[in-house]
Amino acid sequence: GQNIDQPTEMTATEGAIVQINCTYQTSGFNGLFWYQQHAGEAPTFLSYNVLDGLEEKGRFSSFLSRSKGYSYLLLKELQMKDSASYLCAVIFGGYQKVTFGIGTKLQVIP
Amino acid sequence: GAGVSQSPSNKVTEKGKDVELRCDPISGHTALYWYRQSLGQGLEFLIYFQGNSAPDKSGLPSDRFSAERTGGSVSTLTIQRTQQEDSAVYLCASSETGFGNEQFFGPGTRLTVL
Repeated sequence: GQNIDQPTEMTATEGAIVQINCTYQTSGFNGLFWYQQHAGEAPTFLSYNVLDGLEEKGRFSSFLSRSKGYSYLLLKELQMKDSASYLCAVIFGGYQKVTFGIGTKLQVIP
Repeated sequence: GAGVSQSPSNKVTEKGKDVELRCDPISGHTALYWYRQSLGQGLEFLIYFQGNSAPDKSGLPSDRFSAERTGGSVSTLTIQRTQQEDSAVYLCASSETGFGNEQFFGPGTRLTVL
């Protein structure tokens, strides 16, 4: 199977900027998602990248480099409610399989 | 409009019993996905339906697992002869078309196998 690597935990200060990285094997890549998951809740969609570059959506931005097998999620002006797990997921292969990373648990502190 | 709904919300069963989990996607969404999330683990993709067909069933953990979708709407995930390692939250999601579109998740079914 494909390996998706992302840090397991991060801590950042309210109002600051945090970057969550995700690396993956490039073979068969079709697209990359970022999801947010609060404890005890279902994931919610944040972004989908299929082409290289940065996509901005409000306080959240997602970047993709297909040649490097690398993506990051950038969260600006952090709020306490941003404390959650952030899941990187990659679509591989012709039959549209998706593999999720373990998720990065972000703690925002005052 | 209503979001993705799943039933039951919680299911406790004895080892060896069969269980059936249900997912009602958002009306008009042609794509439907099943995932499971074990305690402390990441999301595990199980199967994807486009309409009523699932192009690839290799994500299902074992032959005890099966899924079907009828009428391009409701889907059921069936686990036969449940084992303790099947205990997890089973999540269903739907999207307007296939992968690449925003997936909307249901609240999940928490399955506990005793």
